[in-house]
Amino acid sequence: TQLLEQSPQFLSIQEGENLTVYCNSSSVFSSLQWYRQEPGEGPVLLVTVVTGGEVKKLKRLTFQFGDARKDSSLHITAAQPGDTGLYLCAGGRVSVNDMRFGAGTRLTVKP
Amino acid sequence: GAGVSQSPSNKVTEKGKDVELRCDPISGHTALYWYRQSLGQGLEFLIYFQGNSAPDKSGLPSDRFSAERTGGSVSTLTIQRTQQEDSAVYLCASSFLAARGEQYFGPGTRLTVT
Repeated sequence: TQLLEQSPQFLSIQEGENLTVYCNSSSVFSSLQWYRQEPGEGPVLLVTVVTGGEVKKLKRLTFQFGDARKDSSLHITAAQPGDTGLYLCAGGRVSVNDMRFGAGTRLTVKP
Repeated sequence: GAGVSQSPSNKVTEKGKDVELRCDPISGHTALYWYRQSLGQGLEFLIYFQGNSAPDKSGLPSDRFSAERTGGSVSTLTIQRTQQEDSAVYLCASSFLAARGEQYFGPGTRLTVT
């Protein structure tokens, strides 16, 4: 059983479309991070959110942390082929002093 | 500064042989993680080291898997009597603060068991 559930598992869209992917849990997290992984490489950190309700923007990417700090979403506006990759969320819990990953959303943006 | 490095980058071994995978974390990072990633899948947590505390081994899939972290720095993941289902990319990550620290990943070791 995954501590963090990500949805959808797979997403294939056309260039220019908007999309949202989700990361949900029944646990409260002290912080939550989003990573993107491209083939043959390790994941690379995109953003960290720590405050309930927090919204962060990174160019065309908007990240939101749920008010209760149990869930998060990533919205991409006007997706481009370069956005293709595996998007992973990871939650940190101070009570157990570690971070765990969801299974990821595999995004394909077709030109 | 140097990032997380892993060696070897690729390893092909015969079923039944033992393998050792190495991870050099970023200097000063107290937390170190090992993950396994099968083709097209997400990250499977294996083991976690935090400072001098006892490691969290809860993700190790069998007693054929073990890991050490010497001197709070370099870590070695050992797989004994490898099986074909062990074939995967093994990723190492380190962070400064475990629960809030951004994880920095190495490029991984691709293990193929024939």
